[in-house]
Amino acid sequence: GQQLNQSPQSMFIQEGEDVSMNCTSSSIFNTWLWYKQDPGEGPVLLIALYKAGELTSNGRLTAQFGITRKDSFLNISASIPSDVGIYFCAGAGGTSYGKLTFGQGTILTVHP
Amino acid sequence: GAVVSQHPSRVICKSGTSVKIECRSLDFQATTMFWYRQFPKQSLMLMATSNEGSKATYEQGVEKDKFLINHASLTLSTLTVTSAHPEDSSFYICSARDPASSSTQYFGPGTRLTVL
Repeated sequence: GQQLNQSPQSMFIQEGEDVSMNCTSSSIFNTWLWYKQDPGEGPVLLIALYKAGELTSNGRLTAQFGITRKDSFLNISASIPSDVGIYFCAGAGGTSYGKLTFGQGTILTVHP
Repeated sequence: GAVVSQHPSRVICKSGTSVKIECRSLDFQATTMFWYRQFPKQSLMLMATSNEGSKATYEQGVEKDKFLINHASLTLSTLTVTSAHPEDSSFYICSARDPASSSTQYFGPGTRLTVL
């Protein structure tokens, strides 16, 4: 089945630094989604990407839908302590028929 | 973004009892909802797709008689864990598909189930 490789698995950064994480797939997706999950909570949608090559921003967050449809990245600029959490990429479309395929998650720790 | 609620947020039950978890889309109608299970420090694992007015579609390895799903209205899906055992203890999360998008899902806050 389809699998997403998300990297890095974890990041330890200082407040104010920029962060970059990405997901790659062996299959094509029609939609890429980025979620953030806080401990004990459900994932919250950060950015949704629907077109190959699309670059979308949400405040300090920027994500891009790779031109090959097989990858996406998420950047966080000027990190703050509340950025701490687990970030998941998810792909949809292709042969998944509306289901989401999730990456393994990136655990982000921000030191004040 | 769209709002999805879950109830209860936490439940502790005795082994052998059944537990019902509700998932509601508060500001949109969802013909399709999904139920996930998440183990500590792991990604979300899809259990089943809940379709309004029809039977749920279960993922391979998920027992449909163990995890009963009912999607009786466009805003409510329920997951009932029947005859719960300690190994069913987990974090259960539902999501609802955005009717304006065939792919985007909005997640509920999750339900922590502990079976003693």
